Amino acid sequence: AQKVTQAQTEISVVEKEDVTLDCVYETRDTTYYLFWYKQPPSGELVFLIRRNSFDEQNEISGRYSWNFQKSTSSFNFTITASQVVDSAVYFCALSGYTGTASKLTFGTGTRLQVTL
Amino acid sequence: GAVVSQHPSRVICKSGTSVKIECRSLDFQATTMFWYRQFPKQSLMLMATSNEGSKATYEQGVEKDKFLINHASLTLSTLTVTSAHPEDSSFYICSAPRAGDDEQYFGPGTRLTVT
Repeated sequence: AQKVTQAQTEISVVEKEDVTLDCVYETRDTTYYLFWYKQPPSGELVFLIRRNSFDEQNEISGRYSWNFQKSTSSFNFTITASQVVDSAVYFCALSGYTGTASKLTFGTGTRLQVTL
Repeated sequence: GAVVSQHPSRVICKSGTSVKIECRSLDFQATTMFWYRQFPKQSLMLMATSNEGSKATYEQGVEKDKFLINHASLTLSTLTVTSAHPEDSSFYICSAPRAGDDEQYFGPGTRLTVT
């Protein structure tokens, strides 16, 4: 069975602070995908990143960066110089790798509040 | 990029009535679609996998007679909540994988309120 754990329920930071959202996963699959999604108050999921289990290279996209550590089954997400617009719920998710996209297992989400 | 739409975006219905939610892939065909449910301040939980031309596959604990899924074409899946009750009030989100690029695209969600 697959499981995703986001231990941080809520995080509150002041604008311009850096913040890291933790994600730990469990799977018996040898190949899999990991995702991060942002869910603003509107509810629509915003795709941030997909990483396959073959690729442990860290990725940076603007103020966002991701640290994938297969040895510790973690896929952490860092926002540098946070902004108020970053306030949202962030979900980490896991899926199998079958050649076609398969169902996602989501973590419980981390609510990020960025204040001025 | 690929777009998945849902209709309606928001619906309020009375207890005991049925509600149909549509999920459409607008610019690609999807033989499979997924339906998720999200209760307030909770995570997304997979309800069922919708398969074009065949029966849906339901997750454990999801009543298939209550949540009817029909995937009648390669671009449309519908979820019908039958005899809705207040505890069915939730945010329902569909997703559709696009073949070839292995990406999965989420709809904007449907917020159901049962009074």
